[in-house]
Amino acid sequence: DAKTTQPPSMDCAEGRAANLPCNHSTISGNEYVYWYRQIHSQGPQYIIHGLKNNETNEMASLIITEDRKSSTLILPHATLRDTAVYYCIVRVAGNQFYFGTGTSLTVIP
Amino acid sequence: SQTIHQWPATLVQPVGSPLSLECTVEGTSNPNLYWYRQAAGRGLQLLFYSVGIGQISSEVPQNLSASRPQDRQFILSSKKLLLSDSGFYLCAWRFNTGELFFGEGSRLTVL
Repeated sequence: DAKTTQPPSMDCAEGRAANLPCNHSTISGNEYVYWYRQIHSQGPQYIIHGLKNNETNEMASLIITEDRKSSTLILPHATLRDTAVYYCIVRVAGNQFYFGTGTSLTVIP
Repeated sequence: SQTIHQWPATLVQPVGSPLSLECTVEGTSNPNLYWYRQAAGRGLQLLFYSVGIGQISSEVPQNLSASRPQDRQFILSSKKLLLSDSGFYLCAWRFNTGELFFGEGSRLTVL
């Protein structure tokens, strides 16, 4: 059901930027892209979302391509606590939020 | 401030027994509420969502049901659990700005 494609796993060195890609080639013009992360045995945590423009908050930056068919979540200085599964979600018109299997990010000391 | 509570946090149930998981939110009114399930090593599966009292939308046919008896209460139930019902159950509500806020989850093991 998910409308996004993410790599199953990635590694990143501690202190370096983590760039997590997401493809959403069938996105519609009014659908937002959301990013969440889930640390083991906890509920997912909201990170950021965007429609067309790049977005930045205290946790991360979101870069959306001009055609909106893909996006990248950037954690500027990854720490060990950023090790988690990261989900990219396109919000379907209405109330449904469908999560895929996400990207398991491991931050390496 | 808004909060969301789920209970019980963990439970172990025999096959064929009933189930009731409860979710309540505080600090908001008329929230959109969601139940998700996560099987071991898998992603999140949307089970039910509700836009108001007595209004339930089911995403996946199964032996689970949901009810919303009060504005800020969302209950997940089963009359007879199956082994395949084991998993991590998450309740969430949607902010007016669109993002979901999740509870701490209820871990169910069916034996």
